Amino acid sequence: NAGVTQTPKFQVLKTGQSMTLQCAQDMNHNSMYWYRQDPGMGLRLIYYSASEGTTDKGEVPNGYNVSRLNKREFSLRLESAAPSQTSVYFCASSQTRGLNTGELFFGEGSRLTVL
Amino acid sequence: GENVEQHPSTLSVQEGDSAVIKCTYSDSASNYFPWYKQELGKRPQLIIDIRSNVGEKKDQRIAVTLNKTAKHFSLHITETQPEDSAVYFCAASRGREDDMRFGAGTRLTVKP
Repeated sequence: NAGVTQTPKFQVLKTGQSMTLQCAQDMNHNSMYWYRQDPGMGLRLIYYSASEGTTDKGEVPNGYNVSRLNKREFSLRLESAAPSQTSVYFCASSQTRGLNTGELFFGEGSRLTVL
Repeated sequence: GENVEQHPSTLSVQEGDSAVIKCTYSDSASNYFPWYKQELGKRPQLIIDIRSNVGEKKDQRIAVTLNKTAKHFSLHITETQPEDSAVYFCAASRGREDDMRFGAGTRLTVKP
């Protein structure tokens, strides 16, 4: 099992450009997430998808859109990149049981720089 | 919403010593407290977690304690080894997908 895979690993954009980060998981998990990691700020939730066909905003959704393409895949799109979106992005998945979320399994991360 | 504070931000210990990282949370309804370890350039990985119906949990050299009254929980690493060097993140959640909040992280360095 590959777990959670995300692409690309590195990307440099100019302000105003768009791009999509791709994520796929092979653990048959219901829930998928996109986090950003900035120095001194931990991990902050951008968007999540509790199940196939649903997506919801997290803590810092502005400037992003997502698509839950199927149970395996969850993409993150920056329509018009800004320097404030320079960050490391992590995709994650988990298996929710009842009312409780389980362990988060993270991808390797995507380092995005916006000039 | 939940707010998680983590201390210290950096911690340096000699190999074989113990390390303690502390977190406080604000939402009294939080009931799930995981700890993640992130080695340099790698993905975060769960190392231990605790739910609010227990006060302590141990896994070999790692233990987590929870004080619900005071709303704080701690990670204890005994007999530290150089491979324990990493950034450690605490988190708190009510168990829903959208409400897990992470601390800012603690960079632990274990000197040989």
